[in-house]
Amino acid sequence: DAKTTQPPSMDCAEGRAANLPCNHSTISGNEYVYWYRQIHSQGPQYIIHGLKNNETNEMASLIITEDRKSSTLILPHATLRDTAVYYCIADPGINYGQNFVFGPGTRLSVLP
Amino acid sequence: DAGVIQSPRHEVTEMGQEVTLRCKPISGHNSLFWYRQTMMRGLELLIYFNNNVPIDDSGMPEDRFSAKMPNASFSTLKIQPSEPRDSAVYFCASSLTGGNTEAFFGQGTRLTVV
Repeated sequence: DAKTTQPPSMDCAEGRAANLPCNHSTISGNEYVYWYRQIHSQGPQYIIHGLKNNETNEMASLIITEDRKSSTLILPHATLRDTAVYYCIADPGINYGQNFVFGPGTRLSVLP
Repeated sequence: DAGVIQSPRHEVTEMGQEVTLRCKPISGHNSLFWYRQTMMRGLELLIYFNNNVPIDDSGMPEDRFSAKMPNASFSTLKIQPSEPRDSAVYFCASSLTGGNTEAFFGQGTRLTVV
């Protein structure tokens, strides 16, 4: 799996967009970019994933650069409940399913 | 579906005792993963199964740890004998094999070995 690099922590004001960056400069052509988050005392929760194109779902948007070496997760209107650790993972997601390697992630604090 | 179900939610045991953690994956999922989370080491993949067969157990820390998946709806992670350094939150996750599917995690079992 490609190694990913994320800032250790970020703050965001409630109601504003939270933009969480991730670098994956060694990503392979068959590796997707996945985002998960972990709210305190809960198991990790899937957010979104993508390969080349930008993706959007009810939770967030994922912007992947054209060279695929970095991406940004966007929470359009952050709420206090979005306070969590966010993990960016590059993985093929094929064959036997995901055997994700989680890094330290970004601790996002949404402030009132 | 109720999601991935783990039991117990909390376990406190004495050093040297056997501990068994249980996991029921989401019905229809054919991949199952066991993770361990500590403050020092973060989330670590211990082992994963595909169609009830262990595929990669390279993350299992030592022989005291063993995992089984006797059928598609049940898996166990056993520690025998347990040690204080095994104290952690253990997560089970399941997913569908093939393609870019997501993994669903249980709520975890918080293990404390005293």
